[in-house]
Amino acid sequence: DVKVTQSSRYLVKRTGEKVFLECVQDMDHENMFWYRQDPGLGLRLIYFSYDVKMKEKGDIPEGYSVSREKKERFSLILESASTNQTSMYLCASYLNRGDQPQHFGDGTRLSIL
Amino acid sequence: KNEVEQSPQNLTAQEGEFITINCSYSVGISALHWLQQHPGGGIVSLFMLSSGKKKHGRLIATINIQEKHSSLHITASHPRDSAVYICVLYNNNDMRFGAGTRLTVKP
Repeated sequence: DVKVTQSSRYLVKRTGEKVFLECVQDMDHENMFWYRQDPGLGLRLIYFSYDVKMKEKGDIPEGYSVSREKKERFSLILESASTNQTSMYLCASYLNRGDQPQHFGDGTRLSIL
Repeated sequence: KNEVEQSPQNLTAQEGEFITINCSYSVGISALHWLQQHPGGGIVSLFMLSSGKKKHGRLIATINIQEKHSSLHITASHPRDSAVYICVLYNNNDMRFGAGTRLTVKP
């Protein structure tokens, strides 16, 4: 079974802090994704990566950056956290084959005070 | 118009009822994915399909590529089926998410 592990289930940070959210997958998937989920807005793609050191902006990249130094790890970085970044963050990974689903982590509920 | 629309947005059912959740879309796709998200936030992959029908336990997913429509059915629904169900469209590396259907099954 694919395992996608996010480093924290709950996180509380202060405005202006630099925040790191980590995601690790154990199935050698090429593609990894970071989403945020807010009430009434569904899942929105922030960034994705299709290979080591490669990254692509999703629908809402502003205020975020990412790092993919190793295939199994995809980090989301909030350079200077703001209260409007309070959200549920979900990481997913995906083998680049049309018949394979995405696998999601359990999510990190991030609160910015 | 949204490229992917789910209906209904919210659904309340009594235990044992047959449930249907719909996903209609307006773009070409290579596959469609049904996800289940429980109140705690964790997301589970249910089905990935590009044609026909798939069944797993009490869950059945169908897709009609010509009509650009997919349905997720739950037979003999149970309170533990209460969750948000999300359809996701795939076309190469592009993905589009439905807004989700919130299902509540009452005992």
